[in-house]
Amino acid sequence: EVQLVESGGGLVKPGGSLRLSCAASGFTFSDAWMSWVRQAPGKGLEWVGRIKSKTGGGTTDYIAPVKGRFTISRDDSKNTLYLQMNSLKTEDTAVYFCTTIRYAIQAGGPFDYWGPGNLVTVSS
Amino acid sequence: DIQMTQSPSSLSASVGDRVTITCQANQDITNNLNWYQQKPGKAPKLLIYDVSNLEKGVPSSFSASGAGTHFTFTISSLQPEDFATYYCQQYDSLPPTFGGGTKVEIK
Repeated sequence: EVQLVESGGGLVKPGGSLRLSCAASGFTFSDAWMSWVRQAPGKGLEWVGRIKSKTGGGTTDYIAPVKGRFTISRDDSKNTLYLQMNSLKTEDTAVYFCTTIRYAIQAGGPFDYWGPGNLVTVSS
Repeated sequence: DIQMTQSPSSLSASVGDRVTITCQANQDITNNLNWYQQKPGKAPKLLIYDVSNLEKGVPSSFSASGAGTHFTFTISSLQPEDFATYYCQQYDSLPPTFGGGTKVEIK
């Protein structure tokens, strides 16, 4: 059974940093392309970014508002995905979900498995 | 970025009703369109991928169709467990983008 569990969220001041982790099990993590999707309170879904598998190049892509501030990485030996968030802004307040990406193609494919999400609150 | 416009943003319906949601892209996304269901406090769940393919275990009361820029999602007979918010999502080009969501509420 595929399981994704996020951790590391919490309250942080504007300008601060936080690192989210996503522990994966039930599938071959090293082969998977992975993404982060967020949802601000009461709002819709927004894709944050993704990381390809190492065999796929291991590269990352991000949405414009987080480029240069957020970094997605992976540790295949630990089956764990990370989201390092720096220079946080109040508008980054959201529940952050990690997801698997079904197709290893340029724009990714369906997000077929999701973690339960982890809340990040950016407030002074 | 490709913009996905979903309508309506909310609707009220009764158990047994047929419900249809539309999703319009501002450019051709061929068949790279998925639908998700989200219940309050939960993660979204993939229901339909590549326009019309049902995920395993998803009831056949759910269906979807479309191509290019115009897509529809239908629940043929609404059940109590179907009250939720539904999102379309394109993956034709980066970044993947979601529609604004349609909240299906009990009448």
